[in-house]
Amino acid sequence: RKEVEQDPGPFNVPEGATVAFNCTYSNSASQSFFWYRQDCRKEPKLLMSVYSSGNEDGRFTAQLNRASQYISLLIRDSKLSDSATYLCVVTNTGKLIFGQGTTLQVKP
Amino acid sequence: DGGITQSPKYLFRKEGQNVTLSCEQNLNHDAMYWYRQDPGQGLRLIYYSQIVNDFQKGDIAEGYSVSREKKESFPLTVTSAQKNPTAFYLCASNYAVTVDQPQHFGDGTRLSIL
Repeated sequence: RKEVEQDPGPFNVPEGATVAFNCTYSNSASQSFFWYRQDCRKEPKLLMSVYSSGNEDGRFTAQLNRASQYISLLIRDSKLSDSATYLCVVTNTGKLIFGQGTTLQVKP
Repeated sequence: DGGITQSPKYLFRKEGQNVTLSCEQNLNHDAMYWYRQDPGQGLRLIYYSQIVNDFQKGDIAEGYSVSREKKESFPLTVTSAQKNPTAFYLCASNYAVTVDQPQHFGDGTRLSIL
């Protein structure tokens, strides 16, 4: 079983839609959690950290459920520019463990 | 501008050849990392370094070697022992390995076999 698992998608949604991505992790000792965004053939860039209480950054909301070892990312009012691969990342003693990514394609 | 610089952007390797990928950072970070990404896959850790003159194997170190002679630099050599080197290689850095903070990435090197 992979340490971090994501549904690879692709998720094809129209502009303005709300879309949610899920991620599960297997190591209960994981300490920090992030969502990264990766555009085609580019390096990953930090989208947002994920906190236990849940956190929001504009149209993006991240949630963490430590009991279920589950992380989510909600994108509201999708834009064409949101099309990318979203990587779920957990840490353990400073090392990042990456999920394989979920691909989002927002259509006009 | 502070950041991580990887070079070259594209690299081609012949059979039996060793190639070296460069990674330089001016963020004053102690920790540096090398990852490999294959199409449709997440990143996998090759090697990491917590401090100058120290480095540790990651999950897929076989066929690779690194050095950390300066804080700013962490070059990766893909040796001829790495039979499937075609991938996207990403270098990253962080304040320290033990600090669970997000890592900063360079813009990557694409390595292909000739």
